[in-house]
Amino acid sequence: GAGVSQTPSNKVTEKGKYVELRCDPISGHTALYWYRQSLGQGPEFLIYFQGTGAADDSGLPNDRFFAVRPEGSVSTLKIQRTERGDSAVYLCASSGTGDTQYFGPGTRLTVL
Amino acid sequence: AQRVTQPEKLLSVFKGAPVELKCNYSYSGSPELFWYVQYSRQRLQLLLRHISRESIKGFTADLNKGETSFHLKKPFAQEEDSAMYYCALLLSHTPLVFGKGTRLSVIA
Repeated sequence: GAGVSQTPSNKVTEKGKYVELRCDPISGHTALYWYRQSLGQGPEFLIYFQGTGAADDSGLPNDRFFAVRPEGSVSTLKIQRTERGDSAVYLCASSGTGDTQYFGPGTRLTVL
Repeated sequence: AQRVTQPEKLLSVFKGAPVELKCNYSYSGSPELFWYVQYSRQRLQLLLRHISRESIKGFTADLNKGETSFHLKKPFAQEEDSAMYYCALLLSHTPLVFGKGTRLSVIA
């Protein structure tokens, strides 16, 4: 079946702009995770959804970052007033009844 | 806080040589440990998890609670094993905690 998909694959924006990154999880997966991967680092947790609600948003770096999952499927990560330090690959993962997380291809965000 | 340490950023081995990618973790309970792999231009994918105790692509990893380690091993490296390898720790239905990764380069 189809895996996790993320759009866009690449996003270039200017400092101060607003961006939205989309994640389509594997159909039927109730848990959805957002991670951020900076150059030379492993993925770092941002936020985790169980169904429609954010079960844990402790990884969001500040209040410029926000994520929603209104119908318990697709999720959107929103970044306001982007800064150069937000440049990274943003990864989405989903999991079903087991613990295995399946990752999307990521969105590479570049803030100029 | 839970932590995963992969001490080597880069590991180069010759084809046919044994490989060991090191991973140490800090957690006082009984975590679940994973190895994820990312081949060039591909997404991050699960290689193996300690509870399944299986060998995938010739790789094995044993959880050593005394040494808090989960090293990944393969007796004979192949060129197609060249990739980024990430060790990760999971508590039940929580986000994964990743190490910084080790780039394995297998030289022909």
